[in-house]
Amino acid sequence: QSALTQPASVSGSPGQSMTISCTGTSSDIGGYNHVSWYQHHPGKAPKLIIYDVTNRPSGVSNRFSGSKSGNTASLSISGLQTEDEAVYYCSSYTTTNIAHVVFGGGTELTVL
Amino acid sequence: EVQLVESGGGLVQPGGSLRLSCEVSGFTFSKYWMYWIRQGPGEGPVWISRVDTKGTFTTYADSVKGRFTVSRDNAKGTVYLQMNSLKDEDTAVYYCARDRGDDASSSWVFDLWGRGTLVSVSS
Repeated sequence: QSALTQPASVSGSPGQSMTISCTGTSSDIGGYNHVSWYQHHPGKAPKLIIYDVTNRPSGVSNRFSGSKSGNTASLSISGLQTEDEAVYYCSSYTTTNIAHVVFGGGTELTVL
Repeated sequence: EVQLVESGGGLVQPGGSLRLSCEVSGFTFSKYWMYWIRQGPGEGPVWISRVDTKGTFTTYADSVKGRFTVSRDNAKGTVYLQMNSLKDEDTAVYYCARDRGDDASSSWVFDLWGRGTLVSVSS
């Protein structure tokens, strides 16, 4: 069981907007502004799309945005495209026991 | 091309050992902290180890501490994970990942990943 809780799957149509939630505790998401999101197409290397809650790495589409409220972080995707179909993982820094990161179980996004 | 390529996975019996390698290319390896992350069947990723830029400071998740050892060879552009006393629950795809900080800091943000190598522990 993963430390952070994500919905197992979501779906949407091309052009729509979608939000994926990631719920943790005050020891991880709620305690630090160090939430990241990764996109993973099966068989490929995972890709960083959001870091430090809201920041996008160079080259990542501005259709992707991140936010946080309390112990829950969210990834929003606007203007869904077929290539957005992937598994999305959130992660958060924590100092429980030792400094490390914890991940969510992943959300499979289907673009119908 | 900037990339990480893992190798060394395979099928091993419980109690056995494996050594994973992660060869990098396309960037100055010695500037970055490196991490190992694994993902068991049907599970989310789990961080298991990290090593600093010089290979002198390492940390491990409790689940592998005392059994796994991370190291790096900056001259070869490679990070290693020596896995001993393997257990069934170590079965996973193992990824190496690069820290996004190129200033020798550890940000725990992974801006470059490999495709992973599969380790199966079974009798």
